[in-house]
Amino acid sequence: EAQVTQNPRYLITVTGKKLTVTCSQNMNHEYMSWYRQDPGLGLRQIYYSMNVEVTDKGDVPEGYKVSRKEKRNFPLILESPSPNQTSLYFCASSLRGSGIGTGELFFGEGSRLTVL
Amino acid sequence: DAKTTQPTSMDCAEGRAANLPCNHSTISGNEYVYWYRQIHSQGPQYIIHGLKNNETNEMASLIITEDRKSSTLILPHATLRDTAVYYCIASTSGSRLTFGEGTQLTVNP
Repeated sequence: EAQVTQNPRYLITVTGKKLTVTCSQNMNHEYMSWYRQDPGLGLRQIYYSMNVEVTDKGDVPEGYKVSRKEKRNFPLILESPSPNQTSLYFCASSLRGSGIGTGELFFGEGSRLTVL
Repeated sequence: DAKTTQPTSMDCAEGRAANLPCNHSTISGNEYVYWYRQIHSQGPQYIIHGLKNNETNEMASLIITEDRKSSTLILPHATLRDTAVYYCIASTSGSRLTFGEGTQLTVNP
């Protein structure tokens, strides 16, 4: 089954304790990205990757890191989490990232992160 | 990407057609109109997209006005499971999408 898998789905952590949210897709998609969703602010893009070893900042990259060493994986790293990073996070992928009318985005089920 | 405007909320009776409007008066010629929905706090789900012609798939129909300044997403026979937030997005890229607040559609029994 074609899917985007995120882990963990739920996490409660404390300020400053490094964490990684993993994202994996099995569709051989070139493009992957991370969003965060907060009440009243909609979904905001954190980082995106057009292909392996190619990453770029989205609209709200501060406090986050990403890497794209393999096509299928795009982990989101919070080096020193803070309470303002408490949010619902979504990973998404699509076949390609550029070109007019590029294909649909496939989203993971979300990771709810709480930083105390 | 062009700004889109959607009603905050709408109601629909189960079994009836749900017509969700979207205004994108500043849309440019190479921007597509994309529709996604998000059920509760699940990941958004792609519904349909189009450029200028009307489009239909197994989920919905998309009607785009001739001047492309507005569009309507039609769910022909809404069910309770169609209760969700529906997002209309105008973009040249199907990947780098900016999601607004969308329309909360509630399907009532």
